[in-house]
Amino acid sequence: AQSVTQLGSHVSVSEGALVLLRCNYSSSVPPYLFWYVQYPNQGLQLLLKYTSAATLVKGINGFEAEFKKSETSFHLTKPSAHMSDAAEYFCAVSGGWAGGTSYGKLTFGQGTILTVHP
Amino acid sequence: NAGVTQTPKFQVLKTGQSMTLQCAQDMNHEYMSWYRQDPGMGLRLIHYSVGAGITDQGEVPNGYNVSRSTTEDFPLRLLSAAPSQTSVYFCASSWDYLSSTDTQYFGPGTRLTVL
Repeated sequence: AQSVTQLGSHVSVSEGALVLLRCNYSSSVPPYLFWYVQYPNQGLQLLLKYTSAATLVKGINGFEAEFKKSETSFHLTKPSAHMSDAAEYFCAVSGGWAGGTSYGKLTFGQGTILTVHP
Repeated sequence: NAGVTQTPKFQVLKTGQSMTLQCAQDMNHEYMSWYRQDPGMGLRLIHYSVGAGITDQGEVPNGYNVSRSTTEDFPLRLLSAAPSQTSVYFCASSWDYLSSTDTQYFGPGTRLTVL
């Protein structure tokens, strides 16, 4: 079984400040990890994904994430927050769960709402 | 190319009523799935399909039914709505159902309230 834990349901930063959203995973097999963003009243959009090619993954809108196997983490960062970054962010791992079969099914974390203050 | 579309955007039901949430994609994706989103719980998989005629249960399938008669469409049926099914429902699709790295594309969601 695989699981994802996002530390902090709400994160608030000032415009121009560093954004750090935390994600830890649990997996019995090498994981594939994703970050999705959800803007208000919209569906989810892929920010970036880790597929074992490189541990530092760059995504859209200036976001990046680093896969750290020793820490079982895949934290999302952005050097300078913009007002347009305000959204809910989801970390997800690809794989199955107990009793299921694994295809491209995603297991999501609880989500982190990012607020950006002027 | 419309991507993944869902209808309706909003729906209010009374307990015991049935309804179908529609999902369609025009990307010729083999893999389609339904998730529900509840506050503080992220998204949870309800049902999924790896191709026309093939469906399987996800993490929270009770009270929901699906079928996949065509590659494009994957409707979700609520058999007898309950207040616990009040949620936002998302449909998603991806190209390669055998790949754990393939990007899933999400629809805009259906917000369902059961009174």
